[in-house]
Amino acid sequence: NAGVTQTPKFRILKIGQSMTLQCTQDMNHNYMYWYRQDPGMGLKLIYYSVGAGITDKGEVPNGYNVSRSTTEDFPLRLELAAPSQTSVYFCASMRDTEAFFGQGTRLTVV
Amino acid sequence: GQQLNQSPQSMFIQEGEDVSMNCTSSSIFNTWLWYKQDPGEGPVLLIALYKAGELTSNGRLTAQFGITRKDSFLNISASIPSDVGIYFCAGQLSGSARQLTFGSGTQLTVLP
Repeated sequence: NAGVTQTPKFRILKIGQSMTLQCTQDMNHNYMYWYRQDPGMGLKLIYYSVGAGITDKGEVPNGYNVSRSTTEDFPLRLELAAPSQTSVYFCASMRDTEAFFGQGTRLTVV
Repeated sequence: GQQLNQSPQSMFIQEGEDVSMNCTSSSIFNTWLWYKQDPGEGPVLLIALYKAGELTSNGRLTAQFGITRKDSFLNISASIPSDVGIYFCAGQLSGSARQLTFGSGTQLTVLP
């Protein structure tokens, strides 16, 4: 069972570069989320989606964009990377109240 | 927005000891959840609580949903080395696209 798969696992970006963090789930969940986790902090919600074609901002959306063209995929886009975006990013899908998380993408912006 | 205060921030305990951690909120939640995160992994659900006053166990773990709906605690009995990790509480409101608000986590270290 693949569950939620994130790629890449690690990435170093230079300031101003762009990249897409990929997230796919094979559980047919409608609800999907992107979080960032900074040291000593909980997970902060960046964007979420309640179904294909529907996305909305979370608590910390600035500097990010998302799309949801299929139920399975929920990519997160960074257009102009900044050092403040150095973090660990987690994608999750949800069934009822249980969120299933990917293994995370550790991003460093230098 | 809602904030969850989770304490303690970190704990160092001897193997076999019991552990207790808690979360308090500035607002009420309909559901309280407790997650564990192992190094290099995403959080995994341990226990879900759905009603005020509910007390639920999962093996050596016991969690309670506070009567006021603004707090929850997690107890781990007879700790073992594999209990090491970060424990997060999370609150959920119904009708909020199932968004979770997370506490800042409790880093647990179990000493042999």
